[in-house]
Amino acid sequence: EDQVTQSPEALRLQEGESSSLNCSYTVSGLRGLFWYRQDPGKGPEFLFTLYSAGEEKEKERLKATLTKKESFLHITAPKPEDSATYLCAVAFFQGAQKLVFGQGTRLTINP
Amino acid sequence: GAGVSQSPRYKVAKRGQDVALRCDPISGHVSLFWYQQALGQGPEFLTYFQNEAQLDKSGLPSDRFFAERPEGSVSTLKIQRTQQEDSAVYLCASSLAVLVAEQFFGPGTRLTVL
Repeated sequence: EDQVTQSPEALRLQEGESSSLNCSYTVSGLRGLFWYRQDPGKGPEFLFTLYSAGEEKEKERLKATLTKKESFLHITAPKPEDSATYLCAVAFFQGAQKLVFGQGTRLTINP
Repeated sequence: GAGVSQSPRYKVAKRGQDVALRCDPISGHVSLFWYQQALGQGPEFLTYFQNEAQLDKSGLPSDRFFAERPEGSVSTLKIQRTQQEDSAVYLCASSLAVLVAEQFFGPGTRLTVL
């Protein structure tokens, strides 16, 4: 069964304290892996797409990396405004266009 | 801005009522998706349109759920005879491409069934 698992479920950091969020997947054939940010009461906001192992993408304090079995979202020197739920989603060959989401990591950055 | 819009933003229904949720995708986006998000969970796929054709409805939880996109732009998700377990946020997303590409989400409609 195709699955996407994110860890940890929740993470609390101090401002400036760098860390990583994990997304592991078991899919029959990966077509793409997507990271989204979701604020309370809003829809997911697109961050990155990764297509192949070894690929990396960066945006401000965020960097996403991809291996054959997992992806990491590294956050460097976070600020309180980075607090949000971060969602990982996978598109796989047997799944046509749909995205399979993990349950998300709730990130809180304390000032 | 020209993002995905959804209406209504909030809907309260009594059990057994029918509801209709509307999605206006980004202009020119070929692909349109509906997802259901329970509290504290990631979104779950419901159905997918390419233009006006519904190509995948494997995620619709029962035959009470029906979606359409008759002219290949605006889409409506209809839920008949709502049940309490239908309470969730319903998200619409659109994508420019037919192939796998990033999906852009609307703000969602929060449905509460009493």
